[in-house]
Amino acid sequence: GAVVSQHPSWVICKSGTSVKIECRSLDFQATTMFWYRQFPKQSLMLMATSNEGSKATYEQGVEKDKFLINHASLTLSTLTVTSAHPEDSSFYICSAEVPSMPQSPLHFGNGTRLTVT
Amino acid sequence: AQKITQTQPGMFVQEKEAVTLDCTYDTSDPSYGLFWYKQPSSGEMIFLIYQGSYDQQNATEGRYSLNFQKARKSANLVISASQLGDSAMYFCAMRGGYNQGGKLIFGQGTELSVKP
Repeated sequence: GAVVSQHPSWVICKSGTSVKIECRSLDFQATTMFWYRQFPKQSLMLMATSNEGSKATYEQGVEKDKFLINHASLTLSTLTVTSAHPEDSSFYICSAEVPSMPQSPLHFGNGTRLTVT
Repeated sequence: AQKITQTQPGMFVQEKEAVTLDCTYDTSDPSYGLFWYKQPSSGEMIFLIYQGSYDQQNATEGRYSLNFQKARKSANLVISASQLGDSAMYFCAMRGGYNQGGKLIFGQGTELSVKP
C-alpha cells in the first residue's frame, strides 16, 4: 500500500513554456504532500509543502510565482513550472504523508526529469 | 533548525562485506524520526529503515541496521553482506515534529559502490 504516482516521468520543453507535474496518492488520502528538487549528484532540496485546500508553504529562496503548487484534492497535488528556463532543468520528486502515521516514512513518486531547451 | 550531515561523498565496499554509512544530525525538537533512503540511478527513493527518537533499541530491517547513538546525535546505517545491487546513492533524512511542519530533510548523500 501507500503508492504515490508521479507523471510525467520525463518531459522536454522549450524555454518560456510552462510544464505541469502531477503527484497522486493512489491508495490513501494525502492531506500533505512535499515537493523536492534534485540536481545531479546532489541531495533532495525541499521546495514546498502542499496542503490540501490551502496555499502551499514555500521554502526560503523558492519563487512561489515560478513554481505554482495546487493541492485541490486529497489525492492530487500539482507543480507547475511557469515560463521555464534552462536553469529549471532538474529532477523533481514529490512525496506524501499517510495522515494516520505522522512519523512514518514519506512515500515518494518516481520523479520527473525536466529538460528545458 | 534541523540539520543532517553525511560526510562521506563516496564509499567503496567489497561484495559480501559490511559497510557503515555515517550520518549525524542536529535538532532541538525532542521528538523526531530518522530515516535512510536508497536512490538507484533510476531516481526512485526507496525507504530502507526508520528510527524514532524515543526508540530504545536500534532498528533493523533485513541486512540493514541503524546504529543510533542519541547522545552523539548519530544514526549510521550498516549494510551487512553487501551485494552488487546495493550500489546506489544513500540518503540519511530526519523528520521533526509538527512544530517543524513535518518536513523531511536530507543529508548530502553517500554514493556507495560495491565491487565484485
